[in-house]
Amino acid sequence: ILNVEQSPQSLHVQEGDSTNFTCSFPSSNFYALHWYRWETAKSPEALFVMTLNGDEKKKGRISATLNTKEGYSYLYIKGSQPEDSATYLCASCRNQGGKLIFGQGTELSVKP
Amino acid sequence: EPEVTQTPSHQVTQMGQEVILRCVPISNHLYFYWYRQILGQKVEFLVSFYNNEISEKSEIFDDQFSVERPDGSNFTLKIRSTKLEDSAMYFCASSGLTGQGRSEAFFGQGTRLTVV
Repeated sequence: ILNVEQSPQSLHVQEGDSTNFTCSFPSSNFYALHWYRWETAKSPEALFVMTLNGDEKKKGRISATLNTKEGYSYLYIKGSQPEDSATYLCASCRNQGGKLIFGQGTELSVKP
Repeated sequence: EPEVTQTPSHQVTQMGQEVILRCVPISNHLYFYWYRQILGQKVEFLVSFYNNEISEKSEIFDDQFSVERPDGSNFTLKIRSTKLEDSAMYFCASSGLTGQGRSEAFFGQGTRLTVV
């Protein structure tokens, strides 16, 4: 994998549903994987920075896992709420101070 | 809470004109970035800046673009002669250092550049 890819591109769920999306990234020369949440008309907000293979991080109902050997990360949202509606971006970083390469994002829409 | 601030929020310019987009990163951060998002497309990396020099730049960041940190607080992106395809949302970001290395990037609210 040469690029950062996210799937699905968009997701529509009902309030209360749990959901997950995928980020695939180059596994060579890996340094860190970032997840951001981007609400319309706001700037991207950091959710997690993950560096170690097998890392699991959690913030409220949102959690993420990391597999650096195969180059993927999952983001999980438990019991989705309408306020979770946003675009979720992942970004891969190959070295300290280096650029973040973003995926195209997963647009989540949660209907009440 | 510290934040990255960008000005102006919206800039309309004539094709061929120079524009300067301004950013004030978080004060103790060491790494600074410009990204842009053309409507409907991915967020794209433009340039990263560390220790008063460009550390990395993308193919988009050609001779028409330049960055400066003139006074230790502002971080500017200059586009020398704007083209229609430069119309995009431009985001400034900064990051610092934690015990594990570099922290997450904190983004400004963006400057919407419209070239007419």
